[in-house]
Amino acid sequence: QKEVEQDPGPLSVPEGAIVSLNCTYSNSAFQYFMWYRQYSRKGPELLMYTYSSGNKEDGRFTAQVDKSSKYISLFIRDSQPSDSATYLCAPTGGGKLIFGQGTELSVKP
Amino acid sequence: DADVTQTPRNRITKTGKRIMLECSQTKGHDRMYWYRQDPGLGLRLIYYSFDVKDINKGEISDGYSVSRQAQAKFSLSLESAIPNQTALYFCATSASLGQGAGNEQFFGPGTRLTVL
Repeated sequence: QKEVEQDPGPLSVPEGAIVSLNCTYSNSAFQYFMWYRQYSRKGPELLMYTYSSGNKEDGRFTAQVDKSSKYISLFIRDSQPSDSATYLCAPTGGGKLIFGQGTELSVKP
Repeated sequence: DADVTQTPRNRITKTGKRIMLECSQTKGHDRMYWYRQDPGLGLRLIYYSFDVKDINKGEISDGYSVSRQAQAKFSLSLESAIPNQTALYFCATSASLGQGAGNEQFFGPGTRLTVL
């Protein structure tokens, strides 16, 4: 079993939709949970991160962690065509990031 | 100017050739990483270095070697390239501070390598 499993998608939604991106993980020692966004032909960039369980909101984006079920989510409200990218969850452990497979999102105008 | 640069950006080579991918950073970070990205597999860690004298194997180090020439430079070598090493390769850096945003890694633009 991989340490981090992510719904691979691809996911296609109309503009304005609410998007839910999800990951599960197996290592209970993870404490920081990162979400990276990767545009086509670019390197990943940090979108946001959370510490331990709970929610964190940043504009249209909300990251949620449930450590009891080892479940990580990223919600995008009022999705825009500019949100079209691959989203990678990445819990941290031992100074290293453990990446999920990535979910490719396409938001259609 | 980009903080993390990779050269070359694209490379096509033949089976059995030795290839070196180079990474330089101007962020002043101690930690550097090499990843490969394949469709459906996400980013997988090849090697990482927490300082100039520290080199560690990652998840998929077989067939690869690295050299940390200076704080700012970290090279990845394929001693004898094979077709299943065809992938997108990323270099990344992070600060020594390992808490919170200190876990953030900054990625280069990637090198697309094709082994025929």
